[in-house]
Amino acid sequence: AQSVTQLDSQVPVFEEAPVELRCNYSSSVSVYLFWYVQYPNQGLQLLLKYLSGSTLVKGINGFEAEFNKSQTSFHLRKPSVHISDTAEYFCAVSPRGYGNKLVFGAGTILRVKS
Amino acid sequence: SQTIHQWPATLVQPVGSPLSLECTVEGTSNPNLYWYRQAAGRGLQLLFYSVGIGQISSEVPQNLSASRPQDRQFILSSKKLLLSDSGFYLCAWSPSLPEQYFGPGTRLTVT
Repeated sequence: AQSVTQLDSQVPVFEEAPVELRCNYSSSVSVYLFWYVQYPNQGLQLLLKYLSGSTLVKGINGFEAEFNKSQTSFHLRKPSVHISDTAEYFCAVSPRGYGNKLVFGAGTILRVKS
Repeated sequence: SQTIHQWPATLVQPVGSPLSLECTVEGTSNPNLYWYRQAAGRGLQLLFYSVGIGQISSEVPQNLSASRPQDRQFILSSKKLLLSDSGFYLCAWSPSLPEQYFGPGTRLTVT
């Protein structure tokens, strides 16, 4: 079975500051990794994904994430946040070879302050 | 391009009433389809998924059921709603690749 732990339930940060949202996972098989963003009362939007290849992946809105296999982590980063980045962010994993099921973390609320 | 629709957007229903939420996908064929529930302050819980017409897998025992009468249509139902059924319901679809794409969601309040 797989599990995902998002280490911070809320992250407050000032506008134009850098931010890191942490995600650790547990799995007995190899996984694909994803970050999604959810704005209030909306569905989830795919930010970025790691399927294979380079461990540093770039996504939309200036976000990037790095897959660290030894630490089973997939932390999300942005060098300079905007007010519009205020949202909830979900890390998710999908076990390879087991269909397209996703296992989600509990989410991290990013609050960007001016 | 592909588009996923959900309706209604919001719904207020009394306890004991029936439920029907609909999800449709455009621009693709034979997608995998998923229903999730997101309770307030909690993550996403996978309720059902379907790999084809008439093929439904349930992830957790509950008061809900799902059906897939057409290739790109996924319906979530209940015969009698409970207070605990309140939440934000999200439909998602997936192509052959592992990522999933989500609809706009339905906010259900059971009173």
